[in-house]
Amino acid sequence: KQEVTQIPAALSVPEGENLVLNCSFTDSAIYNLQWFRQDPGKGLTSLLLIQSSQREQTSGRLNASLDKSSGRSTLYIAASQPGDSATYLCAVRHHTNAGKSTFGDGTTLTVKP
Amino acid sequence: SAVISQKPSRDICQRGTSLTIQCQVDSQVTMMFWYRQQPGQSLTLIATANQGSEATYESGFVIDKFPISRPNLTFSTLTVSNMSPEDSSIYLCSVEQGAPEAFFGQGTRLTVV
Repeated sequence: KQEVTQIPAALSVPEGENLVLNCSFTDSAIYNLQWFRQDPGKGLTSLLLIQSSQREQTSGRLNASLDKSSGRSTLYIAASQPGDSATYLCAVRHHTNAGKSTFGDGTTLTVKP
Repeated sequence: SAVISQKPSRDICQRGTSLTIQCQVDSQVTMMFWYRQQPGQSLTLIATANQGSEATYESGFVIDKFPISRPNLTFSTLTVSNMSPEDSSIYLCSVEQGAPEAFFGQGTRLTVV
């Protein structure tokens, strides 16, 4: 059974700092990995999708990497802003589990002005 | 990307009653899912909503408690039946497109009193 772990559970940084969020998974036979942002009490917004054959994806100040062999992904946020404050979730889709994703518990980020 | 409208956005319900949540997508999609997010926790898949047939439920979830309809490729409903305070959660509709990439509605925040 796939298990997804996110470290740290919470992170507080001053504005402008670069930061890294970590996601690890136990079964490397994944189809893809997706990073989401969730604001309090709201739904999920897709940030980046990495296919199993890819090593990284970039969108603006966000960069996500994937190392399937070690079961790890990182989300790098450059020059953090208070508006980046949210919970960040990673989700792993298993290649034999058509359409189903396993979610981590998330990292709650607070960026202080 | 798919645009998902979920209604209601929030509700406060009496125990023993039922609530039906609607999910409308702006394009036809094959896969639609319903998730539950209990307070302070990550997402748990309730079921896959299958068009024209019965939903596929995950372990721990049953049709009598969470009946699901999927009359066409753009619409689904989830009913939370005979509610108790333990059902207080955010309920999220999700669809997949493309890579596949998952997209979520804004969620329904349910409080049972």
